[in-house]
Amino acid sequence: DAKTTQPNSMESNEEEPVHLPCNHSTISGTDYIHWYRQLPSQGPEYVIHGLTSNVNNRMASLAIAEDRKSSTLILHRATLRDAAVYYCILRSSQGAQKLVFGQGTRLTINP
Amino acid sequence: NAGVTQTPKFRILKIGQSMTLQCAQDMNHNYMYWYRQDPGMGLKLIYYSVGAGITDKGEVPNGYNVSRSTTEDFPLRLELAAPSQTSVYFCASSSRTGNQPQHFGDGTRLSIL
Repeated sequence: DAKTTQPNSMESNEEEPVHLPCNHSTISGTDYIHWYRQLPSQGPEYVIHGLTSNVNNRMASLAIAEDRKSSTLILHRATLRDAAVYYCILRSSQGAQKLVFGQGTRLTINP
Repeated sequence: NAGVTQTPKFRILKIGQSMTLQCAQDMNHNYMYWYRQDPGMGLKLIYYSVGAGITDKGEVPNGYNVSRSTTEDFPLRLELAAPSQTSVYFCASSSRTGNQPQHFGDGTRLSIL
């Protein structure tokens, strides 16, 4: 399984944008880039995913580099509720489509 | 919408006891997964299933067994509980088509004393 590299922690202020980076230099052509987040004492929650093009949804935006070796999750206006551990995961479109979780980025939001 | 339902939410076991963690989904998903999460760590895959009657080992299968007799249910069995199995267990499911997201349950917190 291709691996990802994320900063251990990041900090931001409420109502400001947050850019969470992820490096995945060994990504293969069949890998989708998935982002999940885990709030304290809860199960992981899907945020967004993409293959090649940038993606937007009601929760966030995903910017994917042209060579697909890195991506950035963008929270446009952070709230206190966005404080969580964010996981960037490469998920193959073949086979059982398993998720391999790393350590993630612990995001702290200051009021 | 129920989604993925896990029972029980909490359990304390004695060393050597056995138990089954239940997982049910009502989304008609083919794929189901069991993960464990130790404190401060990411999730690790224990077992997964791509359909009824088909299961396979994940990253950390030792000490666990699974079965998948129906599309809806995917129970995880601990036969001889050990302190190293103290963890939070999450069940997830996803559709087979189109690289769709995994949906997670709320987890079962298990302590082995």
